[in-house]
Amino acid sequence: KNEVEQSPQNLTAQEGEFITINCSYSVGISALHWLQQHPGGGIVSLFMLSSGKKKHGRLIATINIQEKHSSLHITASHPRDSAVYICAAGRGNQFYFGTGTSLTVIP
Amino acid sequence: EPEVTQTPSHQVTQMGQEVILRCVPISNHLYFYWYRQILGQKVEFLVSFYNNEISEKSEIFDDQFSVERPDGSNFTLKIRSTKLEDSAMYFCASKPEQETQYFGPGTRLLVL
Repeated sequence: KNEVEQSPQNLTAQEGEFITINCSYSVGISALHWLQQHPGGGIVSLFMLSSGKKKHGRLIATINIQEKHSSLHITASHPRDSAVYICAAGRGNQFYFGTGTSLTVIP
Repeated sequence: EPEVTQTPSHQVTQMGQEVILRCVPISNHLYFYWYRQILGQKVEFLVSFYNNEISEKSEIFDDQFSVERPDGSNFTLKIRSTKLEDSAMYFCASKPEQETQYFGPGTRLLVL
């Protein structure tokens, strides 16, 4: 049983394209996290959100609590955005991870 | 910029041996976490730690696992008797009260 589902699993885009990655979750959450995992394995936390929308540079994350859905958008995508993007649902100090979306941005 | 550090970066051990994975969280952080990622699979939550005790743990975190914050700076994960299926990348993370987590670079554990 997957508490967190992500789509698509794999995504290839041309440089400059607008990208959307979706996340649906089935558990009640206190916060929803978006993480970026680099090809070398390192993980960086991009966003933690519990409502509404957050923006950081070219990245935007939104969440709809009623629909239990979150999206991560990347505007003007660049090859350096190539990574695995992971959605994680946080319930207190317990976390449920999606399987990740592997993004490749082609120059 | 402060970072979470982990040692060793790689560890190879024989099945049945004990291993201790070490993490140094960021100094003013209050919450500490261990995760693992088996090769090719998703990240899995193991345990969270706050105020010198475990606050949450997953089904994976059985009696073979323990965590400790022995000296106020290190945060360790011990696996008492390693199994082949414990081979994975282990990530430590820490965070202050209301902010997002900061992840360490991971320790890649290989059990032979």
